[in-house]
Amino acid sequence: KNQVEQSPQSLIILEGKNCTLQCNYTVSPFSNLRWYKQDTGRGPVSLTIMTFSENTKSNGRYTATLDADTKQSSLHITASQLSDSASYICVVSYGGNNRLAFGKGNQVVVIP
Amino acid sequence: ETGVTQSPTHLIKTRGQQVTLRCSSQSGHNTVSWYQQALGQGPQFIFQYYREEENGRGNFPPRFSGLQFPNYSSELNVNALELDDSALYLCASSQSVRGDGEAFFGQGTRLTVV
Repeated sequence: KNQVEQSPQSLIILEGKNCTLQCNYTVSPFSNLRWYKQDTGRGPVSLTIMTFSENTKSNGRYTATLDADTKQSSLHITASQLSDSASYICVVSYGGNNRLAFGKGNQVVVIP
Repeated sequence: ETGVTQSPTHLIKTRGQQVTLRCSSQSGHNTVSWYQQALGQGPQFIFQYYREEENGRGNFPPRFSGLQFPNYSSELNVNALELDDSALYLCASSQSVRGDGEAFFGQGTRLTVV
């Protein structure tokens, strides 16, 4: 069983609309949680990184939340643009030595 | 741009051959991790190097090996290639081996084994 589960697996949304992606994790001890955006065939690019004490962080139209008690995180995309079409990967750092556990990603397709 | 450079960007090899992938980490970063990403999957941890020493390994066979050089650049070597080794190989560099370090990814090397 994957230690980081993301839902929905894929999502199609209209340009200009909002969407929310979910991430549940089981790894411990928790260090931080990151959301990355990965365009097809490219390396992931960091959007946000949150530690245990942070419960929300924004990066432009991207807002991430973290509930470390329930081990859940979400990524909210506001006013989506065509360029938001990508895979969004939830990554949890654990174990104190920068070990990363990756989700499989939420595949988002924005259509005009 | 993340400052992490991987080469080559694409590669086609024949089953049984050997391959070397390269990664130049971001300036000032002493930790490099390598990941294998199959199509439609999240990256899987191969191993990590910290100051030229292996510092953890995922569930990959010994034919996957690596090196880190004094300038902190790194290589991933794969021997006796198998068809299932076809994937995007990512390297990530960070300033700290601790869990609080931001990891910056390269653009990846797409390896196809035929």
